Amino acid sequence: SQQGEEDPQALSIQEGENATMNCSYKTSINNLQWYRQNSGRGLVHLILIRSNEREKHSGRLRVTLDTSKKSSSLLITASRAADTASYFCATDRNSGNTPLVFGKGTRLSVIA
Amino acid sequence: KAGVTQTPRYLIKTRGQQVTLSCSPISGHRSVSWYQQTPGQGLQFLFEYFSETQRNKGNFPGRFSGRQFSNSRSEMNVSTLELGDSALYLCASSLAPGGVDSPLHFGNGTRLTVT
Repeated sequence: SQQGEEDPQALSIQEGENATMNCSYKTSINNLQWYRQNSGRGLVHLILIRSNEREKHSGRLRVTLDTSKKSSSLLITASRAADTASYFCATDRNSGNTPLVFGKGTRLSVIA
Repeated sequence: KAGVTQTPRYLIKTRGQQVTLSCSPISGHRSVSWYQQTPGQGLQFLFEYFSETQRNKGNFPGRFSGRQFSNSRSEMNVSTLELGDSALYLCASSLAPGGVDSPLHFGNGTRLTVT
């Protein structure tokens, strides 16, 4: 079963705009990760945020985590056509020895 | 450092046949996880191996099996293929088990088509 669910399912924006994707999950977690997947390729790790962190930055990426609402958001600022991809959140259940569970992803299209 | 390598890249099989997929992890990574990706179900966890031991198994039938060798390379096997097994099979390696505290590094997958 899916632990994380991304919202929206698809997002289309103009180059230069900001893109925000959300992830909600069901059970307590140790950390939450975001991955990107270009069409037909493997996933690439973007950022990991631990349950005791509220915000994390990496270049043009900003991730927030609200454990009280069991939700996270990924913000991509000043988007580029190369950011066109699917974005997935992945969570581990805070019960030890469990694999990462991925949501179904948000498909982002950045139009030049 | 070479990334995760999956072979073959594409595979076409007929129903009832069996298939073996191979994954070579990043050097030094002892954890290998397998995921099945389909448009309808997204990424579904198959199994994970760490130091040749299966640590976790997803909710898949016994037709799906895997193993890990002493050099950390891993194979997964699907027997008696069904049309619904058509998917992108992704392998990922990580330093720590399961990618919980260290990120997963994915290969580009094997695209399996069952006809």
